[in-house]
Amino acid sequence: NAGVTQTPKFRVLKTGQSMTLLCAQDMNHEYMYWYRQDPGMGLRLIHYSVGEGTTAKGEVPDGYNVSRLKKQNFLLGLESAAPSQTSVYFCATTDGVRGPRSYEQYFGPGTRLTVT
Amino acid sequence: AQTVTQSQPEMSVQEAETVTLSCTYDTSESDYYLFWYKQPPSRQMILVIRQEAYKQQNATENRFSVNFQKAAKSFSLKISDSQLGDAAMYFCAYRIENNDMRFGAGTRLTVKP
Repeated sequence: NAGVTQTPKFRVLKTGQSMTLLCAQDMNHEYMYWYRQDPGMGLRLIHYSVGEGTTAKGEVPDGYNVSRLKKQNFLLGLESAAPSQTSVYFCATTDGVRGPRSYEQYFGPGTRLTVT
Repeated sequence: AQTVTQSQPEMSVQEAETVTLSCTYDTSESDYYLFWYKQPPSRQMILVIRQEAYKQQNATENRFSVNFQKAAKSFSLKISDSQLGDAAMYFCAYRIENNDMRFGAGTRLTVKP
């Protein structure tokens, strides 16, 4: 039972290059989230999904795209990377069901991305 | 705008003492959830405690408790009998009706032996 995994763990890109970050979960959770974490700014929500085939914008969506073609996977894409996208990216999932552990988010280990 | 404010960038506490971390938030929603997450140097985010806004009773989890003041939109975390393993970044967060999540900028807690 791997929980939430992220691929890759580290990546260095040149300005203008593209890449895709993969988040995979085996918890059968409906909701998945992508965040970025920058020093002094906490976690900021980029995009999220409330189910297979759905996506929604978060607080800082510009420059990113996402897709949720399968329930267990949530992809984050950078079409043309910029130095301002240098950050640590976290994926998280939650079951979205009211109960004792309602909306607790389970986080992946993070991906450190550097854009030069 | 919906925001979360943690006014204490850094806090320190002596081992075995009590410390309180502050959090205020701004939302127009009536139904929401509040959370405190811990991030140790390993970078892994760990849920510490959660509070449902419609519940008046403050949540507790062992040495961790909250003081939830809904009218004041305040959600502070109290750590009793602090341990060295409590040293970490602590983030306050809330979830609103449309599943959007907002986090504060964090408070770095140092525990002195």
